[in-house]
This record gives sequence, C-alpha cells and structure tokens, in this order.
Amino acid sequence: DGGITQSPKYLFRKEGQNVTLSCEQNLNHDAMYWYRQDPGQGLRLIYYSQIVNDFQKGDIAEGYSVSREKKESFPLTVTSAQKNPTAFYLCASSRPTSTDTQYFGPGTRLTVL
Amino acid sequence: AQSVAQPEDQVNVAEGNPLTVKCTYSVSGNPYLFWYVQYPNRGLQFLLKYITGDNLVKGSYGFEAEFNKSQTSFHLKKPSALVSDSALYFCAVRDINNFNKFYFGSGTKLNVKP
Repeated sequence: DGGITQSPKYLFRKEGQNVTLSCEQNLNHDAMYWYRQDPGQGLRLIYYSQIVNDFQKGDIAEGYSVSREKKESFPLTVTSAQKNPTAFYLCASSRPTSTDTQYFGPGTRLTVL
Repeated sequence: AQSVAQPEDQVNVAEGNPLTVKCTYSVSGNPYLFWYVQYPNRGLQFLLKYITGDNLVKGSYGFEAEFNKSQTSFHLKKPSALVSDSALYFCAVRDINNFNKFYFGSGTKLNVKP
C-alpha cells in the first residue's frame, strides 16, 4: 500500500525531555510537511522540506527541529524548548506540482506529563 | 498573503437534509482550493479541489463544492447528509507563490443528527 505512516500513535513525555516523531512515506513525493493541530486553531505549519537535505521553517518552528536525510523520511524532534508541546502532530507529503493535494499521515498525539 | 476563513465553528443538520460548510478565501491571483475531512484522531483526507474550469466541483462521498469568484467563496455542499458525515472539515488554499505551502482554515465541525 502506498501512503504515509507516523509513529508512534500516542506519545507521552516528561517535561524537559526531547522526543522524536517519525514520518515515512512511500509515495515518492519530494515535499514533506509537519503540522501541529490544536483544538479550534486548525493546522499550523511547523517545518517543510522540498528536497533531501533541505528544509524551511514554517509559522511555529520554535522549539522544534527536523532532518531530511532520505526522501522517504522526515522526522520531527520536539525539544524541551517547546513551551506547550501537547498537541496532535500531522505529517504530510505532496508532489511539487501546483495542482496536487497534500496526503496526510494518521497523526501522533503527544502529551506532556 | 493567502488565507482562508471558515466562519462557522460548528454546523448542525438533520440526516437527509442538505448541508453547507462555508469557506471564504483571500489570495493574490487565481486560487487553488481544497477541502479535507478529518475523523477523530485521524489524519486529513482529501475530498475535492478547485483549480480551474467548472465552478461546481464534485468530490468523494457525494460532496461537491461551488467556487464563486465574485464572493471569494468555496462552500462545501452535499444534497443529503448522512450521520457518517459527522466530522471536522477543513478548507485550504495552496500558495501560488510557493507551491509547497498550504494555508488551512480553522475547521468546521459538522454534526449530522439522525
């Protein structure tokens, strides 16, 4: 099956810990994205990557870091500098053509204890 | 700057009745508009898109959307709602200056009552 996988589905973290969320796609898409979703606020872009070894900050990048060493993978690290990390995190990918949609993974719910 | 707005946090409709979920947009140039649906604790699923051409766009699960350039709107519609349509719906616009960026509305929760 083609698609995007995210792991884990649920993640619990103690304050002060860094955690890494996994995102893998086998759609052969060049672009990948990380969004944060909070109730009533829609999706906010954290980081995106257009090609391997390149990524750009989105609207709320502070306290987060990413890497793009392989086309298929775009892991997100939530650092201890992120003041309010409890949220639902969504990974997505797309082709670079202007008319194509984004394809989303199932999400990871992160809870800080 | 590109943006979309969904003026209703929640829409309630009875099963079998028509439904409309509203979206307005603000873009420079021609808009590339999308609708997505999200079920609880799941990712977003693509429903339909408007790029160019016919103002009435048909999508998945019997949904359609009407593009209105003069009113800068892209409302999602369905002639007869199902209880299973209850979900969170997002409107989005693709940035024509940077195709790798999408802007999402805040979402509208659709409740379909039996």
